[in-house]
Amino acid sequence: DGGITQSPKYLFRKEGQNVTLSCEQNLNHDAMYWYRQDPGQGLRLIYYSQIVNDFQKGDIAEGYSVSREKKESFPLTVTSAQKNPTAFYLCATSPRGTEAFFGQGTRLTVV
Amino acid sequence: GESVGLHLPTLSVQEGDNSIINCAYSNSASDYFIWYKQESGKGPQFIIDIRSNMDKRQGQRVTVLLNKTVKHLSLQIAATQPGDSAVYFCAETLNNAGNMLTFGGGTRLMVKP
Repeated sequence: DGGITQSPKYLFRKEGQNVTLSCEQNLNHDAMYWYRQDPGQGLRLIYYSQIVNDFQKGDIAEGYSVSREKKESFPLTVTSAQKNPTAFYLCATSPRGTEAFFGQGTRLTVV
Repeated sequence: GESVGLHLPTLSVQEGDNSIINCAYSNSASDYFIWYKQESGKGPQFIIDIRSNMDKRQGQRVTVLLNKTVKHLSLQIAATQPGDSAVYFCAETLNNAGNMLTFGGGTRLMVKP
């Protein structure tokens, strides 16, 4: 929200299919994050990037991949290796030393 | 604290009462703390923050208290309103390590009219 755009809002994936979730920001923030949220649960970190062309695994990176070719963009690919991908995915950005700002999320459902 | 596999605890309060939401953080070296509010189907929104050199900070109808001795953070909401119903998360970070935020498990606040 407020300069962070996640798309699409809803996404349906067939089993065995890779899908890519988009996250774009115009806040000129260095750091970007991807979180996964399951119903009634908290946020779990998938991947984060503190600078262009560099990213780190979070707590639940298996079955996911990311890239950070531009400062504005941090797409997340959910691969077929992720066996239970149905969840709410949140992208966040942060300048150094302050709070993170979140997008409005993408709800991914496996059909 | 770690929230993997845990369902959110729920706090139910009467409209007009004060609410207190608690959070135990994990890293004694963390020096910046944030409370977020998440409404259903939306991304978390910043409420209030506090740095480790403070033990209390007040905003509009909200107060955050920090007890570094026991690694405890609380969010107090005065005169709770139906619009306060949401899930509340605390987050911590160690500034020297960059912006890496670690989120607590969250508490669902339900306001009864």
